[in-house]
Amino acid sequence: SYEMTQPPSVSVSPGETASITCSGDKLGDKYAFWYQQKPGQSPVLVIYQDAKRPSGIPERFSGSNSGNTATLTISGTPPMDEADYYCQAWDSNTAVFGGGTKLTVL
Amino acid sequence: QVQLVQSGAEVKKPGASVKVSCKASGYTLTGYYMHWVRQAPGQGLEWMGWINPNTGDTNYPQKFQGRVTMTRDTSISTAYMELSRLRSDDTAVYFCAKGEVVASGYFDSWGQGTLVTVSS
Repeated sequence: SYEMTQPPSVSVSPGETASITCSGDKLGDKYAFWYQQKPGQSPVLVIYQDAKRPSGIPERFSGSNSGNTATLTISGTPPMDEADYYCQAWDSNTAVFGGGTKLTVL
Repeated sequence: QVQLVQSGAEVKKPGASVKVSCKASGYTLTGYYMHWVRQAPGQGLEWMGWINPNTGDTNYPQKFQGRVTMTRDTSISTAYMELSRLRSDDTAVYFCAKGEVVASGYFDSWGQGTLVTVSS
């Protein structure tokens, strides 16, 4: 079955740029989606189709996807973006999530 | 605005079944796929399948085939997920998530989650 790998944790200083990667075999041939989940809350879609932002998602969130790696980038990271982030893609009609990355802003 | 409201927490014994509901408002249930995703305590997200509320067609990953059943009642804009033969490792928060007009798309609105605890 298809697997996607994320780093368990990423740390960033407030106002700096955070990058969270998601690796999978030929992931660049698929669309990548990214979700933010804060403690005790439901996930929120922040990036779809590799690089598009849903309505209401701040411009500081951006995405890219090429080769075997998709990347979520948060520019000028504020403390409120501290959360778990999950990548997701489709393989053989099955939705697959990465294991998640805890973003710490300190 | 789109809203998905799920049924309340459940406690079940091993071997039992649980049925979680998800009432949709703010959009037409039959226009978009509905997905179910679960999250075990302290763990990541796991996709359980989708239902096409318009046709009733379903798609489940192999892991859940034979144990999960997704249905809908369009007259009350509600989707359901039933999981049978519960085990302790089925203890998780179960989410419904609104999909796109195509099956293999994003999940753009999520329910609040339903905690299902399986314990003897």
